[in-house]
Amino acid sequence: AQTVTQSQPEMSVQEAETVTLSCTYDTSENNYYLFWYKQPPSRQMILVIRQEAYKQQNATENRFSVNFQKAAKSFSLKISDSQLGDTAMYFCAFMKQRGGSGNTGKLIFGQGTTLQVKP
Amino acid sequence: GAVVSQHPSRVICKSGTSVKIECRSLDFQATTMFWYRQFPKQSLMLMATSNEGSKATYEQGVEKDKFLINHASLTLSTLTVTSAHPEDSSFYICSARVGWGNTIYFGEGSWLTVV
Repeated sequence: AQTVTQSQPEMSVQEAETVTLSCTYDTSENNYYLFWYKQPPSRQMILVIRQEAYKQQNATENRFSVNFQKAAKSFSLKISDSQLGDTAMYFCAFMKQRGGSGNTGKLIFGQGTTLQVKP
Repeated sequence: GAVVSQHPSRVICKSGTSVKIECRSLDFQATTMFWYRQFPKQSLMLMATSNEGSKATYEQGVEKDKFLINHASLTLSTLTVTSAHPEDSSFYICSARVGWGNTIYFGEGSWLTVV
């Protein structure tokens, strides 16, 4: 079974600074996807960034980038130039890649990290 | 972009009654839909996976007779909480998978309060 662990329940950062959120996972699969989702106070889940495990290059989306270490099963999210609108709960998630046994597209979520961006 | 609409956003019902929450994919066909429950400041807990035209697959510990899931079409899944009790009060979120890929869109969520 797959598990996702986020060991930082809460974090804070000053506006315009950089912050890194940690995520580790455990799986015996070789092909999978990893995601970071953001859940602001509105509760709408928003995809921040996605990484295919077969790609060595780390994914980036504007101010958001990941450090994907497959051997270490680590998938951290770096937010640069933090903005007040980045205040939210962030979830790391895992999905088996199609073709794996029992793959339904199910997302397995970590516990979440609440990020507060301070002015 | 693709949108998943969830309705109602908030509902209050009396203990012992049933309440239905709808999840619609507005501009794509969802082969698979998922239902989650979320308690305050906690993660999303997957309740069940719903495939169009077939019975839902429930996660361990989720009462299938209490949380009825129907996925009658490729754009609509419903969650019915039967004989609701105050402990069923929670935030319920649906999501929909686009085809067989890794793209998942989430609904806005529904607050259920049982009084």
